[in-house]
Amino acid sequence: NAGVTQTPKFQVLKTGQSMTLQCAQDMNHNSMYWYRQDPGMGLRLIYYSASEGTTDKGEVPNGYNVSRLNKREFSLRLESAAPSQTSVYFCASSDEGHPEADTQYFGPGTRLTVL
Amino acid sequence: LAKTTQPISMDSYEGQEVNITCSHNNIATNDYITWYQQFPSQGPRFIIQGYKTKVTNEVASLFIPADRKSSTLSLPRVSLSDTAVYYCLVGDTMDSSYKLIFGSGTRLLVRP
Repeated sequence: NAGVTQTPKFQVLKTGQSMTLQCAQDMNHNSMYWYRQDPGMGLRLIYYSASEGTTDKGEVPNGYNVSRLNKREFSLRLESAAPSQTSVYFCASSDEGHPEADTQYFGPGTRLTVL
Repeated sequence: LAKTTQPISMDSYEGQEVNITCSHNNIATNDYITWYQQFPSQGPRFIIQGYKTKVTNEVASLFIPADRKSSTLSLPRVSLSDTAVYYCLVGDTMDSSYKLIFGSGTRLLVRP
């Protein structure tokens, strides 16, 4: 069991470039999440997907799009990167489908720098 | 809006018991209280979760008073490897959807 995997681990972009962050989980979980974490701060939810085929906005969705490709995979796309999107991005998954009592499992993160 | 308030940082010494308190005055009836641990350059890791009274597992205890407006994470006999950021989470409702919200967390430093 690899758990939650993310690619790439590191990325440097120029302002205006686009890219897609990939996330996959092998735990057969229903829900998946994308967070960003700025230096010295807590995590902020960007988007989440409660089940295959559904997505919903979190605290900070502007500038991002997501795709729940299948039950295993949940990608995050930056269409036109901005320096304010420099951050560490974490993907997570959870099983119960009841967010009040969810236990989330996190990936190792993607460190993104936008110049 | 269910938000949490935690101390920004705490210091302790190896072998001591550490108690981190989280305030969540607006917790909803259905909310569970969940604590995560995060080491530098890693994703957060689940520690413990509870709804009321006391919960204990192999790494920590969680104390929740009857009014559920606060909770205390207790780490018995900490070691240097417990140096990390600890997050207390409850839920929040935005646009009719339910989300878990991470606050800024408590940075625990364990000294030799």
